Amino acid sequence: GAGVSQSPSNKVTEKGKDVELRCDPISGHTALYWYRQSLGQGLEFLIYFQGNSAPDKSGLPSDRFSAERTGGSVSTLTIQRTQQEDSAVYLCASSLNRLVAGEQYFGPGTRLTVT
Amino acid sequence: SQELEQSPQSLIVQEGKNLTINCTSSKTLYGLYWYKQKYGEGLIFLMMLQKGGEEKSHEKITAKLDEKKQQSSLHITASQPSHAGIYLCGADGSAGGTSYGKLTFGQGTILTVHP
Repeated sequence: GAGVSQSPSNKVTEKGKDVELRCDPISGHTALYWYRQSLGQGLEFLIYFQGNSAPDKSGLPSDRFSAERTGGSVSTLTIQRTQQEDSAVYLCASSLNRLVAGEQYFGPGTRLTVT
Repeated sequence: SQELEQSPQSLIVQEGKNLTINCTSSKTLYGLYWYKQKYGEGLIFLMMLQKGGEEKSHEKITAKLDEKKQQSSLHITASQPSHAGIYLCGADGSAGGTSYGKLTFGQGTILTVHP
């Protein structure tokens, strides 16, 4: 079946612009995660959605970052007023449910470059 | 917060050789996950270990969890070029054995296998 998809695969934006990154999880997966991967910081957790519960936003680095998940499926990560330090690969993952929450299926990522 | 340290940071082996990658946690491990990443791609789930002393194998890859030492090891037997990539260990950041899937990752081990 279809895996996790993300779009766009690459995004180049100017400093100060807003960007939206999209994630389509595996159908039927109730949990969705966003991570950020950069050379200096490795792989960092950003935000987690589980079903209809309030998301865990504890990993978001600043209030410029926000995410939503509509209808329990597709998720959008929005970065406002982008800064150069936001340049990274943004990875989305989904898992079937909380019982196997650590078994996550990752998308290919969106490479964000802020110039 | 939980920190995971992997060793070695990089490894170059000749095809056919065995190798071991270690992952040590700064806190008690309630769930340890091994992932593999190829350049420019998302992470691929390999194995999940949840109990002390647990050992799992998939093809030529074996992972063990030593709960007392707060450590896990990943062993590859008779390595092949297809094993090349970045291996990451991840741990559930939640205490008390409840998995939320909010993973903290090690910095990764880069494996190169020469034919």
